[in-house]
Amino acid sequence: EAQVTQNPRYLITVTGKKLTVTCSQNMNHEYMSWYRQDPGLGLRQIYYSMNVEVTDKGDVPEGYKVSRKEKRNFPLILESPSPNQTSLYFCASSLFRGSGANVLTFGAGSRLTVL
Amino acid sequence: QKEVEQNSGPLSVPEGAIASLNCTYSDRGSQSFFWYRQYSGKSPELIMFIYSNGDKEDGRFTAQLNKASQYVSLLIRDSQPSDSATYLCAVSYYAGNNRKLIWGLGTSLAVNP
Repeated sequence: EAQVTQNPRYLITVTGKKLTVTCSQNMNHEYMSWYRQDPGLGLRQIYYSMNVEVTDKGDVPEGYKVSRKEKRNFPLILESPSPNQTSLYFCASSLFRGSGANVLTFGAGSRLTVL
Repeated sequence: QKEVEQNSGPLSVPEGAIASLNCTYSDRGSQSFFWYRQYSGKSPELIMFIYSNGDKEDGRFTAQLNKASQYVSLLIRDSQPSDSATYLCAVSYYAGNNRKLIWGLGTSLAVNP
């Protein structure tokens, strides 16, 4: 089944404890992206990647890191999580870059709580 | 500041009726327009997208685009309780070599049996 898989789905952690949210897609998509979704703020892009070893900041990159060493994987790293990073996170991918890059397939989401 | 605005709702319609969801956007240079559906606690899923002025139909769904007035709408015919969800409008614009999306906050739709 074609899908984007995120793990963990739910996580409660404490301030400052490094964590990684993994994202993997099995559709051979070039474009991958991370979003966070917060009430009243909607979906906001954190980072995106056009291809292997090519990443760029989205609208809210502060406090996050990403890497794209393989085409299928795009992990999101929180080096020192803070409570304002409590959110619902979505990984998404798309087959096409450019004009088609916005036809996104989303993962199921990862709900993160930072205490 | 590029913006996409949607009425937050809730929009309540009886089963079998037509649901009309509207979205306005600020950037006249926007090229592509997307409707995603998001069930509570789930991830967004694409319903349809539209590039050209006019209507685009897919089953019970019709997207309508009017670039001169800067609005895009989604009509859902013969609404079903399973259509109850939040509908997100997204608009694409150029940012350097990349196209980025601006998302609306969504309209909550409730279809009553």
